[in-house]
Amino acid sequence: DADVTQTPRNRITKTGKRIMLECSQTKGHDRMYWYRQDPGLGLRLIYYSFDVKDINKGEISDGYSVSRQAQAKFSLSLESAIPNQTALYFCATSDRGQSGYGYTFGSGTRLTVV
Amino acid sequence: LAKTTQPISMDSYEGQEVNITCSHNNIATNDYITWYQQFPSQGPRFIIQGYKTKVTNEVASLFIPADRKSSTLSLPRVSLSDTAVYYCLVGDVDRDDKIIFGKGTRLHILP
Repeated sequence: DADVTQTPRNRITKTGKRIMLECSQTKGHDRMYWYRQDPGLGLRLIYYSFDVKDINKGEISDGYSVSRQAQAKFSLSLESAIPNQTALYFCATSDRGQSGYGYTFGSGTRLTVV
Repeated sequence: LAKTTQPISMDSYEGQEVNITCSHNNIATNDYITWYQQFPSQGPRFIIQGYKTKVTNEVASLFIPADRKSSTLSLPRVSLSDTAVYYCLVGDVDRDDKIIFGKGTRLHILP
C-alpha cells in the first residue's frame, strides 16, 4: 500500500457542487498538506496541519476548507466548485527529523469542474 | 523567505551527467536545500537534501558551496526515465509551511 493515499484519483463535477477529496497516510507523520498544481506551474499550498488540532491556511485557501479527522486523515473540500478549481491536487506529509525533513506526496487527484 | 531561481528547461543525452543549478541568495542559517523530482501526473518525489558541502546518495549528488547561496544537483549518467521536472526547495523544518515550490526545471533526456 502507498504511504500516502488519495481518493478519488479522478473526478469530474459540476459547477456549484460540493466535493471532498480525501487523504490518508501510514507514515505516522504529524504534518499534512494540501497542494494544488496547474499545468506548467509549480505546487501552491492550500492548507496545512501540524497536528489534529492545528489547521492553517496556505497561499490559496479561498474557496477551500479542510478537516483533520485523525493523525492519518486530512480531507479537502470545495464547498461550491467553480471551473477555475480544475487542477491536480496533491496531499503530502512531512517528518520533522533531526537532520532536515522531507515531504511524501500522494499520487494526486485530478479534478475537473465543468 | 528564501526564493529560488532555476533554469526553466534543460536538454541532455542519455549517458551524460546533468547538473542543475539553483540560486538562493537569501538562504537563512537554519534552511536546508532539498530537491524533488516529478513525473507527469505524479506527486513530487524526494531526491536529496543537504545543508552544506556535498551530499551523495544512490541516485544523485548535491553540491553546496561554502556561502550556500546556490546549489547544484548532479545526476550521473542519465537515462530517458530521468525526463521529469526537478524542484529546488529551500526552507527550515520549523517554517516548512512557507516553503515554495517554484516552476522547477523541466529536464528532457534525448536518446
